[in-house]
Amino acid sequence: QVQLVQSGAEVKKPGASVKVSCKASGFIFTSYGISWVRQAPGQGLEWMGWISTYNGNTNYAQKLQGRVTMTTDTSTSTAYMELRSLRSDDTAIYYCAREVSVLNHWFDPWGQGSLVTVSS
Amino acid sequence: NFMLTQPHSVSESPGKTVTISCTRSSGSIASNYVQWYQQRPGSVPTTVIYEDDQRPSGVPDRFSGSIDSSSNSASLTISGLKTEDEADYYCQSYDSSGHVVFGGGTKLTVL
Repeated sequence: QVQLVQSGAEVKKPGASVKVSCKASGFIFTSYGISWVRQAPGQGLEWMGWISTYNGNTNYAQKLQGRVTMTTDTSTSTAYMELRSLRSDDTAIYYCAREVSVLNHWFDPWGQGSLVTVSS
Repeated sequence: NFMLTQPHSVSESPGKTVTISCTRSSGSIASNYVQWYQQRPGSVPTTVIYEDDQRPSGVPDRFSGSIDSSSNSASLTISGLKTEDEADYYCQSYDSSGHVVFGGGTKLTVL
C-alpha cells in the first residue's frame, strides 16, 4: 500500500540542525512531489515547502527561506528535510506528505510524523 | 499571500448536521482547489474532501464540500453526525506560486 515512513523523534539544542527522513513505498516515487508540513504542540498545520522528486526543484515557504533545505534520494525513494539554526518555536511534529498532483496540491497520504524538540 | 479563516470550534449533537466554513481573505476562492483534512486527537491528518467537493474512496457520503463565490468561502458539511466525527478539521488551498495555505483549524465536538 501507499506509505510514507518517517524517521524517529529528535531532541536538539537551540542553534543546531535537524534532518528528518521520509521513505516512500507502494508508488512510483518520482511521479509525485513531496511536501513537508509541521504542527507545533496544540497548534494548527503549517506548510513548509515542496520538492519535486522528479528533478529536485523546490518551493519553500517564505518564512523558512534560508533555514530549510529539502532533498531526495531517488535510489532509496527517500525525501529529506533539513532545518538549521533551530529555535524553541521550531518544536513541532514534522510531517511529509505525498502531493497527489501539482494541479491541486492535495496531500495524500501523510507520514506518521516526526517529533522534533528544541530545548537547551 | 492570502489567509483562510475558520471558526475556532463548533459543536452539535449526534445525528444532526454541521457546516464548517473556510473564508479566503483575498483572491477568489474559486481560483484554486480547496481540500479538507480531518485530524483526530493524536493522529495523522487524512483527507475528507479534495478538489472542492470530491470524496476520496472510503470517506462516507455524510461528508460533502462546496464553494460559494458570493462569500468567497468553502464549506465542509457533515450530516448524520457520529461521535467518531469528533476531530479537528483543516481547510487547505494554495496560490498561483504553489504556496500552500492551511486554515487555522476547527475543533468539532459531537455531544
